[in-house]
Amino acid sequence: DSGVTQTPKHLITATGQRVTLRCSPRSGDLSVYWYQQSLDQGLQFLIQYYNGEERAKGNILERFSAQQFPDLHSELNLSSLELGDSALYFCASSVSALAGDPGNEQYFGPGTRLTVT
Amino acid sequence: GQQVMQIPQYQHVQEGEDFTTYCNSSTTLSNIQWYKQRPGGHPVFLIQLVKSGEVKKQKRLTFQFGEAKKNSSLHITATQTTDVGTYFCAGPALTGTASKLTFGTGTRLQVTL
Repeated sequence: DSGVTQTPKHLITATGQRVTLRCSPRSGDLSVYWYQQSLDQGLQFLIQYYNGEERAKGNILERFSAQQFPDLHSELNLSSLELGDSALYFCASSVSALAGDPGNEQYFGPGTRLTVT
Repeated sequence: GQQVMQIPQYQHVQEGEDFTTYCNSSTTLSNIQWYKQRPGGHPVFLIQLVKSGEVKKQKRLTFQFGEAKKNSSLHITATQTTDVGTYFCAGPALTGTASKLTFGTGTRLQVTL
């Protein structure tokens, strides 16, 4: 158990809809990262928040947005869903702001499997 | 942008055989991390290498960081069925004052008895 929680575990929705994925980081971690993993694909970095502020952006579509709340939990909002958005969405957390810094390893949650039909 | 490639994409070994995955970055890395993802699971941090030429061992796993800090390898001696999973390397890429981890393409290891 990494200490990172994600809800829901599974989500099935139709094209054009909007969904919200939720993540609670490990106690004490200030950074939250969101990744997308498509079937048999690697991990694509979407976005990072650190202590409530957006810190780094990856290949995140304009239809996707995220935020981190004062209690440090984060939500990833996906709108106008398309079939190609079907994937596993992972949240990870770490202690400090700079991803990849020594000692700043990331702890991943169990993921949310999104299926768009 | 930075690209991190791993080879092979997939390897199937008999239990007891050795296994090696190679990671190559298009840019010099300040450090490299390795993660393991079991089937149906989430990535789990294994180790971080920082120094040029560094070698670290974890039981049957040996990790190496290249002298030029552009490549790395993970070697597993005498594989066991518990080693099944996908192994990812990841390197940081600076983007202004921020940094993001670029994950490699991954190597999926299958171990059979």
